[in-house]
Amino acid sequence: AQKVTQAQTEISVVEKEDVTLDCVYETRDTTYYLFWYKQPPSGELVFLIRRNSFDEQNEISGRYSWNFQKSTSSFNFTITASQVVDSAVYFCALISSGSARQLTFGSGTQLTVLP
Amino acid sequence: DAGVTQSPTHLIKTRGQQVTLRCSPKSGHDTVSWYQQALGQGPQFIFQYYEEEERQRGNFPDRFSGHQFPNYSSELNVNALLLGDSALYLCASSPGSYNSPLHFGNGTRLTVT
Repeated sequence: AQKVTQAQTEISVVEKEDVTLDCVYETRDTTYYLFWYKQPPSGELVFLIRRNSFDEQNEISGRYSWNFQKSTSSFNFTITASQVVDSAVYFCALISSGSARQLTFGSGTQLTVLP
Repeated sequence: DAGVTQSPTHLIKTRGQQVTLRCSPKSGHDTVSWYQQALGQGPQFIFQYYEEEERQRGNFPDRFSGHQFPNYSSELNVNALLLGDSALYLCASSPGSYNSPLHFGNGTRLTVT
């Protein structure tokens, strides 16, 4: 069985602050992929990043960065200099070779960026 | 290039009725997955279709069934609706490899009264 935990239900920050969203995962498989998705009020889930279990290199994309640590089974997401448009629900998700086609999502973190 | 499209956007049904939701995948994608997202929760996997066959199923009862057509579009059917079936139903498409990022539609908001 696999599991994704996002302990932060809601986070509120003021614009330009940095914010980190936590994600902890569980899987027995050695080959797996981790994802982050953003869900704005419109409902559509927007893909942000995919990381495989063999690549622990951190990644930066503009104001977004991701820290993958296998030792702690964490895949955290940081937004630097947050903006109001970043307000959304963010989901961390996991798929493994053993789970075949089933992408398992965390419960999400509601991020509100105040002007 | 159109993304994943779902219809209808919203739907209100009465307990015990049946409902059909529709999805057209992103161009070039041959695999369609359906997810149920209850309010305040993450999406839960219902099933996945590939080559017109159900390839994998999540922990949902047989009241939930689906179909995929030769043009890769898909339908989700739910029979004998329960109040607990009220949720956002999301369709996602992908090019087939299990680790490919899923592309989601805007969803169908189903309310069962």
